[in-house]
Amino acid sequence: AQKVTQAQTEISVVEKEDVTLDCVYETRDTTYYLFWYKQPPSGELVFLIRRNSFDEQNEISGRYSWNFQKSTSSFNFTITASQVVDSAVYFCALSEDAAGNKLTFGGGTRVLVKP
Amino acid sequence: DADVTQTPRNRITKTGKRIMLECSQTKGHDRMYWYRQDPGLGLRLIYYSFDVKDINKGEISDGYSVSRQAQAKFSLSLESAIPNQTALYFCATSDRRGIVPSNEQFFGPGTRLTVL
Repeated sequence: AQKVTQAQTEISVVEKEDVTLDCVYETRDTTYYLFWYKQPPSGELVFLIRRNSFDEQNEISGRYSWNFQKSTSSFNFTITASQVVDSAVYFCALSEDAAGNKLTFGGGTRVLVKP
Repeated sequence: DADVTQTPRNRITKTGKRIMLECSQTKGHDRMYWYRQDPGLGLRLIYYSFDVKDINKGEISDGYSVSRQAQAKFSLSLESAIPNQTALYFCATSDRRGIVPSNEQFFGPGTRLTVL
């Protein structure tokens, strides 16, 4: 069965600090997709990134970067130079190709960025 | 206009009442999902549907039922609501078609349900 673990339940940083959110996953499938979503205080889910299991290249998008390592089954997310607007709950999720798009979510990490 | 809409956005009800949450999408997707979110547990899958005639139980289907009235509509019912069904409920859609299916799901804005 697939499983996603986000060991950090809450992280508090001061503005401009970097913050890394850990995500470890378990799957038996060879084809799968990993996602990160942001949930701001308003409650909606905002899609941040999708990565398939055959693409291990790291990705950078502005202040956001992702490190995908199949060897350790991890897909970590770093926010560089954090801002107050980054305060949110962040979810890592896994979708197995064989499971037909069903998403398994981690428990989420709440990030609080203080001014 | 939003591609995935949910009604109502907020609902307070009493134990034992029947409640229906509705989801509509204009994305033309064939697959639809219902999740609930509880603090610290992330989102968990309640039911999913791959087309109008295909309904499947998810991880936590007990106490819930669904109806796929059309490709664009997927409703979730609580036949007799209980307090531990107080949660934030999300509907989502995805499309299995395409040259390179991405497995990406598109979420509605959520329905906050409180059962007293």
